[in-house]
Amino acid sequence: GESVGLHLPTLSVQEGDNSIINCAYSNSASDYFIWYKQESGKGPQFIIDIRSNMDKRQGQRVTVLLNKTVKHLSLQIAATQPGDSAVYFCAETLLSGTYKYIFGTGTRLKVLA
Amino acid sequence: DTAVSQTPKYLVTQMGNDKSIKCEQNLGHDTMYWYKQDSKKFLKIMFSYNNKELIINETVPNRFSPKSPDKAHLNLHINSLELGDSAVYFCASSQDMRREGANVLTFGAGSRLTVL
Repeated sequence: GESVGLHLPTLSVQEGDNSIINCAYSNSASDYFIWYKQESGKGPQFIIDIRSNMDKRQGQRVTVLLNKTVKHLSLQIAATQPGDSAVYFCAETLLSGTYKYIFGTGTRLKVLA
Repeated sequence: DTAVSQTPKYLVTQMGNDKSIKCEQNLGHDTMYWYKQDSKKFLKIMFSYNNKELIINETVPNRFSPKSPDKAHLNLHINSLELGDSAVYFCASSQDMRREGANVLTFGAGSRLTVL
């Protein structure tokens, strides 16, 4: 299940199930989006990216969906594994030299054995 | 080889002290950043430098002073530390954002600052 509030939103999924992590981005002009994974004690690591001229992009076990109409981004992880447990962030930017990535609030993914 | 390396990884200090965090990248990137991550994991940009030139300063108190001696290094000096400065500070780098194509941020492992 998913919980929101003062704490970091958490999504708990059973190992082997698919996970869907959602993100609402802030700037309708943003044209490039990245999903990052942050494991405990480490820096965020790149997972997958998508430009605004696409609505779907697939990687290895991951798919990013972009809905510009409602400024929504999602990350789908197929066959979730224990190693997927981490905090996931979406980031947005404008590829015209703003030098600024804006990060979403993050979602903690817990994979249950 | 670590692409973006920060030192120290942990820093515990008293209020009022001055401290520095160093960052180096060996990726040949033109742009470097400092981000602050609070206890709720929220990542907020503080500064961005492109080829040693300050590009972004996100209304950070002037107790924080970044310094970029060359494009591979971006250090963060903090004067008169306050309790609210306790956080994890991440250095990151990317290709020049003005270049054609998308430029992914590569992060360091973070420096956890605790102010007592």
